[in-house]
Amino acid sequence: EVQLLESGGDLVQPGGSLRLSCAASGFTFSNYAMSWVRQAPGKGLEWVSSIGGSGSTTYYADSVKGRFTISRDNSKNTLYLQMNSLRAEDTAVYYCAKLIPAVGSAYWGQGTLVTVSS
Amino acid sequence: QPVLTQSSSASASLGSSVKLTCTLSSGHSTNIIAWHQHQPGKAPRYLMKVEGTGNYNKGSGVPDRFSGSSSGADRHLTISNLQSEDEADYYCETWDSNTRVFGGGTKLTVL
Repeated sequence: EVQLLESGGDLVQPGGSLRLSCAASGFTFSNYAMSWVRQAPGKGLEWVSSIGGSGSTTYYADSVKGRFTISRDNSKNTLYLQMNSLRAEDTAVYYCAKLIPAVGSAYWGQGTLVTVSS
Repeated sequence: QPVLTQSSSASASLGSSVKLTCTLSSGHSTNIIAWHQHQPGKAPRYLMKVEGTGNYNKGSGVPDRFSGSSSGADRHLTISNLQSEDEADYYCETWDSNTRVFGGGTKLTVL
């Protein structure tokens, strides 16, 4: 059974940093691209970033480019999102998702809440 | 990059059927899309992928009441015999070589 468990969400001040983790199990982690998707309060789902199975290819939404860094440790079956220069508009529940080619975000975690506020 | 357009809300009666639509932007009318269900406080749930041909493939455990179809740039999700637990937000998703996009979501109310 595929399981994705996010952690690391917290209250952080504007301009601060935070690192989110997503622990994966139930599949061969290194074989699959992964994504981070967020949902701000009262808003819809927004794609944040994706990474290939080996970690060598990464993609970012314009809203986070230059501030967020996606990475993975395939030896630990864990996906990361390093978030720097955080803004109030980054406040959201952050979900990790397993990507399947030509299928989309096939499995989702429960999410972790990031609140950016002074 | 592609843009996905969804109606913001829909409603239908318990036991009836409803058809939700996701429209792909110009130049992306052949894209595959995925449908997701999202209930408050829960993880989003992958429902199915829908191809431009109208073929669809559902995720594991998705009830038979859920089906997909396609017409031009429109991708549809039809829910038959609506149940109270179907009340949720429904999002479509697509992608290209270096980006992924979600529609704005449709809030489905079961009357």
